[in-house]
Amino acid sequence: NAGVTQTPKFQVLKTGQSMTLQCAQDMNHEYMSWYRQDPGMGLRLIHYSVGAGITDQGEVPNGYNVSRSTTEDFPLRLLSAAPSQTSVYFCASSYPSEGSTEAFFGQGTRLTVV
Amino acid sequence: QQQVKQSPQSLIVQKGGIPIINCAYENTAFDYFPWYQQFPGKGPALLIAIRPDVSEKKEGRFTISFNKSAKQFSLHIMDSQPGDSATYFCAAAVGSGNTGKLIFGQGTTLQVKP
Repeated sequence: NAGVTQTPKFQVLKTGQSMTLQCAQDMNHEYMSWYRQDPGMGLRLIHYSVGAGITDQGEVPNGYNVSRSTTEDFPLRLLSAAPSQTSVYFCASSYPSEGSTEAFFGQGTRLTVV
Repeated sequence: QQQVKQSPQSLIVQKGGIPIINCAYENTAFDYFPWYQQFPGKGPALLIAIRPDVSEKKEGRFTISFNKSAKQFSLHIMDSQPGDSATYFCAAAVGSGNTGKLIFGQGTTLQVKP
């Protein structure tokens, strides 16, 4: 089982460029989320999805778009990259369960915007 | 504003010591409080979680203490080992986390010296 796979692992962008961070999971999980991790800020939720065709905003959604056309994939699009979007991005998936839910994280994408 | 506040930012203990990491929250709708462990270059992984109907939960050397009236919870690591050196995040969620929407604290970097 691959779990949650993120590509690319590293990326350098120029200010104003656009790109898509890919996230795929093979566990048939309904829920998927994108977080960004910055020093001293922990992980902050960007967007999340509770199923194919359903997405919602998290704490820091500005500058990012998402869509969920399949259960397996949840790409994150940067529309016009800015230096403030330099961060490590994590995708996570989970399934509904009674009592508690474990989120499974990918290995992350380290993005630098110059 | 940070909905979940975590302290300290960093912690150094000797092998065998008992590091304690604290978290506080404001939203009384939170009903699920997990702790995640992250090693360098990896995504976070679930360590232990608690619901507010219990005051303490132990799993191996890891214990969560929960104080509902104070809206605080903490992680204790008994007999800490150098292999426990990692970054630890507390988190909180509504609906047992069954939305894929976790709110994280700022993180604590723990170093356990041999």
